Amino acid sequence: GESVGLHLPTLSVQEGDNSIINCAYSNSASDYFIWYKQESGKGPQFIIDIRSNMDKRQGQRVTVLLNKTVKHLSLQIAATQPGDSAVYFCAESFNDYKLSFGAGTTVTVRA
Amino acid sequence: DAGVIQSPRHEVTEMGQEVTLRCKPISGHDYLFWYRQTMMRGLELLIYFNNNVPIDDSGMPEDRFSAKMPNASFSTLKIQPSEPRDSAVYFCASSSGGQGPDTQYFGPGTRLTVL
Repeated sequence: GESVGLHLPTLSVQEGDNSIINCAYSNSASDYFIWYKQESGKGPQFIIDIRSNMDKRQGQRVTVLLNKTVKHLSLQIAATQPGDSAVYFCAESFNDYKLSFGAGTTVTVRA
Repeated sequence: DAGVIQSPRHEVTEMGQEVTLRCKPISGHDYLFWYRQTMMRGLELLIYFNNNVPIDDSGMPEDRFSAKMPNASFSTLKIQPSEPRDSAVYFCASSSGGQGPDTQYFGPGTRLTVL
């Protein structure tokens, strides 16, 4: 039968290629954004964050881009590796310490 | 450094029983968050504390749920009585305050099954 629950977007990427994971956020007044990676059976793991006064931030192999005009956030992973296979969540915060999480994107890396 | 510690990692109980989940935040963090994750609803914030004081409990589903933080290094989430629909993974997270929202670090979670 049909499974009930959130239908997560999926991304299949060849090992070594770059990945781009997209997220549309809901509140135009949100001022803090964060990406998490969650592997099966584990808690969400921090990847990178960005505040609304920036439009780009780079980390190790990852870059987050923020487009406030269209309320869009993206996570770019360079040279994707098998260990990058996981569910990726974006989250937003407006003027307080609460995070609102998106549904998540499942990334599968093909060897 | 030790991260956020949660116990138990797995809990199986029968409907009507009391369940207590435990969390030890990262030392020095003054914010503590309780989340619930299900396939149906994703990751939801239940309640958060600042300096041991509950700030926002609007996500707590009903009176059967309660959370306490008696000191800076310990928090509990209690469900009494438990129901099958409470089955989920419950995460605790902590962060430092600073000049606004900061990175929340998550524990490994407690997988709760209510039969």
